[in-house]
Amino acid sequence: NAGVTQTPKFQVLKTGQSMTLQCAQDMNHNSMYWYRQDPGMGLRLIYYSASEGTTDKGEVPNGYNVSRLNKREFSLRLESAAPSQTSVYFCASNPETRAKNIQYFGAGTRLSVL
Amino acid sequence: AQTVTQSQPEMSVQEAETVTLSCTYDTSESNYYLFWYKQPPSRQMILVIRQEAYKQQNATENRFSVNFQKAAKSFSLKISDSQLGDTAMYFCAFMKHGSGGGADGLTFGKGTHLIIQP
Repeated sequence: NAGVTQTPKFQVLKTGQSMTLQCAQDMNHNSMYWYRQDPGMGLRLIYYSASEGTTDKGEVPNGYNVSRLNKREFSLRLESAAPSQTSVYFCASNPETRAKNIQYFGAGTRLSVL
Repeated sequence: AQTVTQSQPEMSVQEAETVTLSCTYDTSESNYYLFWYKQPPSRQMILVIRQEAYKQQNATENRFSVNFQKAAKSFSLKISDSQLGDTAMYFCAFMKHGSGGGADGLTFGKGTHLIIQP
């Protein structure tokens, strides 16, 4: 019963490096989301995907790209990392039924950009 | 755009006491959901309770209950018989009901750090 799995759990990058955060869910959910959490803040939406092949910008999309590879996987890419992108990143998924319109979260990825 | 405000950055109560966390929100939507999530030191986001805006009855889950006042745009969380394991950050969150039955992302408040003292 894996739920939402994020890899890696921790990552340190140098400014200008690129990397991809991976997220996979095994619950057959349609919608998937990427959030970031900064100190003293709640989570803020970066991008979301309502279904395979579709993506939409959230509140803080600048500096990020996403790919909804298939129904299970939704990746977040930092093309040229900046110190301002140091944060904890969460992936979530949602079955979107009336009775179960709830977001289930992964364990998070702590990213430091030096 | 929606906003969620949690006015209590930190609260501390004794074990077994009852505590209420406050949350207000602002939206022009009529159809939406409200949530309380718990984030312990492990960082995992754990759903505590969920409320659908069209339901007048307040949601309850064991020791957790909400006071949902739609007209006042208020959504407080009451924790009864508090336990040491309740120590965590608590986030209030809003989600509008998207078109076609789909749902958009969550809008979070900044959180309340709840400390349960032994």
